[in-house]
Amino acid sequence: SQQGEEDPQALSIQEGENATMNCSYKTSINNLQWYRQNSGRGLVHLILIRSNEREKHSGRLRVTLDTSKKSSSLLITASRAADTASYFCATEHSGAGSYQLTFGKGTKLSVIP
Amino acid sequence: NAGVMQNPRHLVRRRGQEARLRCSPMKGHSHVYWYRQLPEEGLKFMVYLQKENIIDESGMPKERFSAEFPKEGPSILRIQQVVRGDSAAYFCASSPPSGPTYEQYFGPGTRLTVT
Repeated sequence: SQQGEEDPQALSIQEGENATMNCSYKTSINNLQWYRQNSGRGLVHLILIRSNEREKHSGRLRVTLDTSKKSSSLLITASRAADTASYFCATEHSGAGSYQLTFGKGTKLSVIP
Repeated sequence: NAGVMQNPRHLVRRRGQEARLRCSPMKGHSHVYWYRQLPEEGLKFMVYLQKENIIDESGMPKERFSAEFPKEGPSILRIQQVVRGDSAAYFCASSPPSGPTYEQYFGPGTRLTVT
């Protein structure tokens, strides 16, 4: 089973709207991280939330973590065309091999001007 | 402070040739990780190295793939006798020698195309 699955697979919104992406995982984690990837480019680290944290903010980004449901959400407020990218959650699971990041397949966000 | 550097950014190889991908971690980082991304997929862990040591290569294919991180110089991911299925983006990440919870900083990736 895949750790860190994002939902939806694709999302299209108008500029100015909010975008919400969800991530579910299956095993215990040390932390969960969100990354952005523009088409054909590298990954940009957005935010890290530790397993003992419930919510974190960074600019227009808001991340929540519910360890009882093994899920996280990323909210981008007041979206801009420049937010168009793929967004990945990555989990660092606890225990042996805990340094490995396990990525989902990502959510493709399109923000229409 | 320069970020993680990878080169080349694009690499084209014919089937059967060798591919060598290089990664220079961020200054002060002693941990390097290699990931592979197939089209429309997320990144998959391949190998974790510290200077002169392979810590975990559980994500590496058993044959044709090898990685090193020498005392001096960049980390190298080497793919021998490439096949079309090796076509992917290969990302390197680095992290500082602290833990247990830390960010991994990713390079821009090397896009390998096998023709």
